[in-house]
Amino acid sequence: EIVLTQSPGTLSLSPGERATLSCRASQSLSSTFLAWYQQKPGQAPRLLIYGASSRATGIPDRFSGSGSGTDFTLTIRRLEPEDSAVYFCQQYGSSPPTFGQGTKVEIK
Amino acid sequence: QVQLVESGGGVVQPGRSLRLSCAASGFTFSSYGMHWLRQAPGKGLEWVAVISYDGSGTDYTDSVKGRFTISRDNSKSTLFLQVNSLREEDTAIYYCAFCRRNNYYFDCWGQGVLVTVSS
Repeated sequence: EIVLTQSPGTLSLSPGERATLSCRASQSLSSTFLAWYQQKPGQAPRLLIYGASSRATGIPDRFSGSGSGTDFTLTIRRLEPEDSAVYFCQQYGSSPPTFGQGTKVEIK
Repeated sequence: QVQLVESGGGVVQPGRSLRLSCAASGFTFSSYGMHWLRQAPGKGLEWVAVISYDGSGTDYTDSVKGRFTISRDNSKSTLFLQVNSLREEDTAIYYCAFCRRNNYYFDCWGQGVLVTVSS
């Protein structure tokens, strides 16, 4: 199965700053079958990005995804306090679908 | 509006069984493949199983093959997960989820149900 490694483990930034989250796959993904999720404590994950760069319905354009092959990035511009959460990447090009271990974004 | 509501969780001893349910509403349940995923306390997400829209096809992650069975009742818009021979490492929040584009990412999730396996 494809292993996804996310970095950094924790990101501590101030409101208004930009967050850059990385997701690296153990092998090249079929097409751009990569998604990003946001999860807040006590809640189910929320889809942010699919197809590596397509925003899900209702997701503000402060969130953007990029990348291909084995390296993918989630960028959050103009951080807001509500962006404090854990972010997971997920590949769905190869069975079984797998997730990264998550990056925690803290807002100072 | 899409709604997925899981139930059936609880505390169970190792080796015992549970049946999880996911009641769906707000969409045409019989048109979509449905999934179970889980998340151990404080840990990441793990895909568990999928069932095709009509129930004719299923797939599982290796660690649950032979122990878990996914099924559905389209007449009742309900998804099930029969979990047998439970192990402590099965302790997790179990989510039902699906993708409105019928893909293997997940844009609709239930709130989750906690299964705790402990002696």
